[in-house]
Amino acid sequence: GAVVSQHPSRVICKSGTSVKIECRSLDFQATTMFWYRQFPKQSLMLMATSNEGSKATYEQGVEKDKFLINHASLTLSTLTVTSAHPEDSSFYICSASGTGVTNYGYTFGSGTRLTVV
Amino acid sequence: GENVEQHPSTLSVQEGDSAVIKCTYSDSASNYFPWYKQELGKGPQLIIDIRSNVGEKKDQRIAVTLNKTAKHFSLHITETQPEDSAVYFCAAIKAAGNKLTFGGGTRVLVKP
Repeated sequence: GAVVSQHPSRVICKSGTSVKIECRSLDFQATTMFWYRQFPKQSLMLMATSNEGSKATYEQGVEKDKFLINHASLTLSTLTVTSAHPEDSSFYICSASGTGVTNYGYTFGSGTRLTVV
Repeated sequence: GENVEQHPSTLSVQEGDSAVIKCTYSDSASNYFPWYKQELGKGPQLIIDIRSNVGEKKDQRIAVTLNKTAKHFSLHITETQPEDSAVYFCAAIKAAGNKLTFGGGTRVLVKP
């Protein structure tokens, strides 16, 4: 089946630094990648949608200069949290959809727990 | 845009009993309805899905029903086991490549 690998699973960084999260589709071509943020005991909140080779489309209220998304290949998308602050601490999850899976296949990564100290 | 509501937010059942989670959606154009199970500290995992041209789908102890007219769909888990304890999310989508709209989630606790 379709597998999405997300790394790192946990990261702790100092306030003001940047953190990069990677999301790879291992056995299919991810034409579309979605990035979510999840606060404790809450649902997934879509941050942005990216299509391979195109600029990401950000949801209302999400700062595109703070959450940089790159989707340069059909198997890799990255989310960079720039100048991280404690309020950016959260669980970040990617999801991929594309060719090689069932028509509506949306496969999720395992998530990244970001803690900014 | 699409709006998905999910109930209940928490559900506690005795091992062996059934659990039912209900979702309603607002956009009649939505045609794919997946259900995800999320364990603590992990990403959501697809457990079952249903398309709008089907009224019911079953996979062992899990079943999903869809009522297009009423715009609601439900997840049924029979013979619950402690390992079924997790957060379950319903979702709806109109077409491949579009964004999923999630319900608020249901925290299921199966008591041994």
